[in-house]
Amino acid sequence: GEDVEQSLFLSVREGDSSVINCTYTDSSSTYLYWYKQEPGAGLQLLTYIFSNMDMKQDQRLTVLLNKKDKHLSLRIADTQTGDSAIYFCAESIRGGSYIPTFGRGTSLIVHP
Amino acid sequence: NAGVTQTPKFQVLKTGQSMTLQCAQDMNHEYMSWYRQDPGMGLRLIHYSVGAGITDQGEVPNGYNVSRSTTEDFPLRLLSAAPSQTSVYFCASSYGSAGDTQYFGPGTRLTVL
Repeated sequence: GEDVEQSLFLSVREGDSSVINCTYTDSSSTYLYWYKQEPGAGLQLLTYIFSNMDMKQDQRLTVLLNKKDKHLSLRIADTQTGDSAIYFCAESIRGGSYIPTFGRGTSLIVHP
Repeated sequence: NAGVTQTPKFQVLKTGQSMTLQCAQDMNHEYMSWYRQDPGMGLRLIHYSVGAGITDQGEVPNGYNVSRSTTEDFPLRLLSAAPSQTSVYFCASSYGSAGDTQYFGPGTRLTVL
C-alpha cells in the first residue's frame, strides 16, 4: 500500500539550511513531489523528482532521493522567514491514477 | 486564467444539514480531486475524477458524493453533515499525466456544529 511519512515540525534560524525528510513505502513510485502550503492558502508545487534520479537542484532547493531506503529529502539553503510554511511530500504510483498521495506535512518555522 | 476556484470560502452548518461545495477550473484539466485537510492528518483524498462522467472513491469517501457532468466543474456534496466533517476542503486539478502538477484551489473552511 501507499504510505508517506514526514516529521511534523522543524524549526531553524534564518540564514541556516533546512532539511525536511520524507519516507515512502511503495517501490512503484514514479514521481515524488514537494508542495508548499502558506497560511490560509492551497498547496503549490515546489519541485519534483523522477524515481530514476538521485538529485535535483533548483536555485535554493535541493532534492535528494535514496531509492534503496525509500527516503526523500528537501534542502532549503539560506532559509528565510518567507519560507515558513507547511511542506508536503507526495508520491504518484506507476500504473495508478497519477493522483498523488500526500504525507501529513512538515511545519517549517523560521525564526530570526 | 482563474485557475481552480472554490466557493464558499467559509461555511457553518448544523448537524444533519446538507450542502454542496463548488469547484471549477478553466485549464481544461481532465483530472479533478477533492481532499480534506485536518490538523496532523495531512491531505486525505475523498473522491476524484479522471474525466467528465467518471468518478471514483479515494481514501475517505463516506458521507460525500460527487458528480462530473462537465470538464470544468466537480462539486462535492455533503449529504447529512456531521461534526467529524469539520475540516478544510481543497479541490485540485491536473492534466492527469505522470509527473503532472496538481493545481489547488484556495480551500473551503467548513464547521459543522
